[in-house]
Amino acid sequence: AQKVTQAQTEISVVEKEDVTLDCVYETRDTTYYLFWYKQPPSGELVFLIRRNSFDEQNEISGRYSWNFQKSTSSFNFTITASQVVDSAVYFCALSGQGAQKLVFGQGTRLTINP
Amino acid sequence: DAMVIQNPRYQVTQFGKPVTLSCSQTLNHNVMYWYQQKSSQAPKLLFHYYDKDFNNEADTPDNFQSRRPNTSFCFLDIRSPGLGDAAMYLCATSGAGTGSYEQYFGPGTRLTVT
Repeated sequence: AQKVTQAQTEISVVEKEDVTLDCVYETRDTTYYLFWYKQPPSGELVFLIRRNSFDEQNEISGRYSWNFQKSTSSFNFTITASQVVDSAVYFCALSGQGAQKLVFGQGTRLTINP
Repeated sequence: DAMVIQNPRYQVTQFGKPVTLSCSQTLNHNVMYWYQQKSSQAPKLLFHYYDKDFNNEADTPDNFQSRRPNTSFCFLDIRSPGLGDAAMYLCATSGAGTGSYEQYFGPGTRLTVT
């Protein structure tokens, strides 16, 4: 069975602080895909990143960076110099080989205070 | 811009009165999904179409049906809405099978049952 755990239910920081959202996953598949989605108050889920199980390179996109470690089954997401517009619920998700279905974590509600 | 479109954005229906939610996409993706998301929860997959093949989740109530008349459109029918069906309904698409595994979501339809 596949499972995604986001242990942090809510995080609140002051603008310009760095913040890391944790994601731990479980799967028996040797090929799998990891994702992060952002859900702002408007409700639409916005795709942020996909990572393949065979590619452990970390990725940076502007203020966003992702750390994928197979040894600890983690795929953590860091926002550097956070901004109020980063306030949203962030979901980590996993799909197995064939990649047709997503298993979501419970989400982390991030609040950036001015 | 290519996108996933959901109509209406807000739908109010009466208890027991059938309702249909619609989704269209211009991404030409072969897979379309319907999710239900209740407050402070992760999206829950109801079913998905891989091309014309319908895949129902084991725990999706019979009250929920879906149609996909062509590649671009997909409908969610709730035959007899109950108060517990009030939720955000999210449509998503992916190009799974063509190497593009991330799912792209529409803005959602918020369903209220009175």
